[in-house]
Amino acid sequence: NAGVTQTPKFQVLKTGQSMTLQCAQDMNHEYMSWYRQDPGMGLRLIHYSVGAGITDQGEVPNGYNVSRSTTEDFPLRLLSAAPSQTSVYFCASSRSGQQETQYFGPGTRLLVL
Amino acid sequence: GQQVMQIPQYQHVQEGEDFTTYCNSSTTLSNIQWYKQRPGGHPVFLIQLVKSGEVKKQKRLTFQFGEAKKNSSLHITATQTTDVGTYFCTGPFSGGYNKLIFGAGTRLAVHP
Repeated sequence: NAGVTQTPKFQVLKTGQSMTLQCAQDMNHEYMSWYRQDPGMGLRLIHYSVGAGITDQGEVPNGYNVSRSTTEDFPLRLLSAAPSQTSVYFCASSRSGQQETQYFGPGTRLLVL
Repeated sequence: GQQVMQIPQYQHVQEGEDFTTYCNSSTTLSNIQWYKQRPGGHPVFLIQLVKSGEVKKQKRLTFQFGEAKKNSSLHITATQTTDVGTYFCTGPFSGGYNKLIFGAGTRLAVHP
């Protein structure tokens, strides 16, 4: 099993550009989530999904969209990037929810100029 | 709003010294999880505590869940350079939502 994979590993965007951060897992996990990590602020939940077709907002959802058309994939879309979205983004998955062990991907470093 | 706080934010120790990080929640938690993130890496699950007053050990690491289930601690005995990283605690968000709230983490530096 590859576990949780994320692409790209690093991305530079200009303000106003859009992009999609990809996340995939091959463990047949129902629960997937996106976090951003900024220095000194730990991990903050952006969006999460409890299964295909179901998504919900986390602590900091503004500026981000998600969809979950399959169990395996959970892409995160930035519609119009802003410098405040410069961060490291982690995708995580677990078998059924927040009570379970979270498996994190390697992360995507995003720089918005 | 609900908060999970960790102290200290940063600690540096000499190799061989002990280390403790504390996690405090503003609300009662049904469970608490601890994760470790090495520099440049991603968070990796260490342990989950569920019962009030629970104590679990993993080699040199001792985890404790408070009696009121609002606080937790991680103690490392005789630190090694391999213990370097940031330790996070996390708990479920209250109100029936299926999401986690992370503390800001404690960054541990170990000097040989």
